[in-house]
Amino acid sequence: DAGVIQSPRHEVTEMGQEVTLRCKPISGHDYLFWYRQTMMRGLELLIYFNNNVPIDDSGMPEDRFSAKMPNASFSTLKIQPSEPRDSAVYFCASSFGTVNTEAFFGQGTRLTVV
Amino acid sequence: GDSVTQMEGPVTLSEEAFLTINCTYTATGYPSLFWYVQYPGEGLQLLLKATKADDKGSNKGFEATYRKETTSFHLEKGSVQVSDSAVYFCALASRGSARQLTFGSGTQLTVLP
Repeated sequence: DAGVIQSPRHEVTEMGQEVTLRCKPISGHDYLFWYRQTMMRGLELLIYFNNNVPIDDSGMPEDRFSAKMPNASFSTLKIQPSEPRDSAVYFCASSFGTVNTEAFFGQGTRLTVV
Repeated sequence: GDSVTQMEGPVTLSEEAFLTINCTYTATGYPSLFWYVQYPGEGLQLLLKATKADDKGSNKGFEATYRKETTSFHLEKGSVQVSDSAVYFCALASRGSARQLTFGSGTQLTVLP
């Protein structure tokens, strides 16, 4: 398996524009997580899905953020409208099964909002 | 709620030095504990894990022991290499709550030749 695949790797956009980040989890994994990483706040869990259903979105910072998982092999994180303070690295991760199993991370999308 | 407290960085060592990165946690019940490593420009990778008290996780010369009595999971390596330079994250997954990982703030390690 190629691992968790995220696209794009880098995104530069202007304030106010819509941004969509994409993630393909590892086949067979039933959990998918979206994290945001910044110098100031470290790694923050934004939302996670189990079997394509959102379970906890309490980490989503504002209504400008939304996430979907239309099927087991694809998820999106959308920011509309984007703001400079959204600049960060966004990671997608997937895992399978019990709490003991590891989460596999994608390489991340570095978002810069100017 | 669950939390992980990690040793503040950055940490700079010479090659072949001994490494310790401290990690303590607060959680309900008996969580599973993990160390993840992040190399520059990459996502996080699992380094090692321990799922119950007194378990020792080990990988690539790194070790950490699950200490319930001190709620700790300190990372150690006897002789670091330049290639170990990375950011190290301690994390827990609590059995009694939702499935997600709770991460520490990360410790930047730089190993000089």
